[in-house]
Amino acid sequence: QLQLQESGPGLVKPSETLSLTCTVSGGSISSSSYYWGWIRQPPGKGLEWIGSIYYSGSTYYNPSLKSRVTISVDTSKNQFSLKLSSVTAADTAVYYCARFSGGMDVWGQGTTVTVSS
Amino acid sequence: DIQMTQSPSSLSASVGDRVTITCRASQSISSYLNWYQQKPGKAPKLLIYAASSLQSGVPSRFSGSGSGTDFTLTISSLQPEDFATYYCQQSYSTPRSTFGPGTKVDIK
Repeated sequence: QLQLQESGPGLVKPSETLSLTCTVSGGSISSSSYYWGWIRQPPGKGLEWIGSIYYSGSTYYNPSLKSRVTISVDTSKNQFSLKLSSVTAADTAVYYCARFSGGMDVWGQGTTVTVSS
Repeated sequence: DIQMTQSPSSLSASVGDRVTITCRASQSISSYLNWYQQKPGKAPKLLIYAASSLQSGVPSRFSGSGSGTDFTLTISSLQPEDFATYYCQQSYSTPRSTFGPGTKVDIK
């Protein structure tokens, strides 16, 4: 059974870079059938798609975040990662990773990231 | 970019009620529309994909319909475990995506 697990610091200082990793277990990230994505949810608000990556390394970003986002994949470790630079308090959110081929059918449990000095 | 709207933003209903939530896309997305349920502190759960296909393990009281720009999620008989927030998501532009703002269903 495929499982996704987010990991990374829960507290990031303003202007610094947020870095998270999603580890895929129970299946291969190199499947040709799926993309892998990051989604976030600020406290009390809705879901925002951040970006997606294919196992080959092709990336797709939300235009509103594109200048600050980098998503990468490490197929040898069955992981993909998110970097968000120049963070502000507005980037405080629960960050989820998910598998999708249209519908997002497998999600990580989410990790809370707070931006504060 | 494709924008998604949902109505209502919230609703109050009783156990056993029939509940309908509407989602609208800013342009035609064919049937590339998915529905999710999210409970507090939990990750979203895929309920319906491709507008009307029930995800494995999801109760049959959930159904979806629509195509083009207008879509609906219907819960035929609301159960206590269905009180949650529901989101639509367009996958027409996969691997890019957009979510609707959500509809919170709470107890009347």
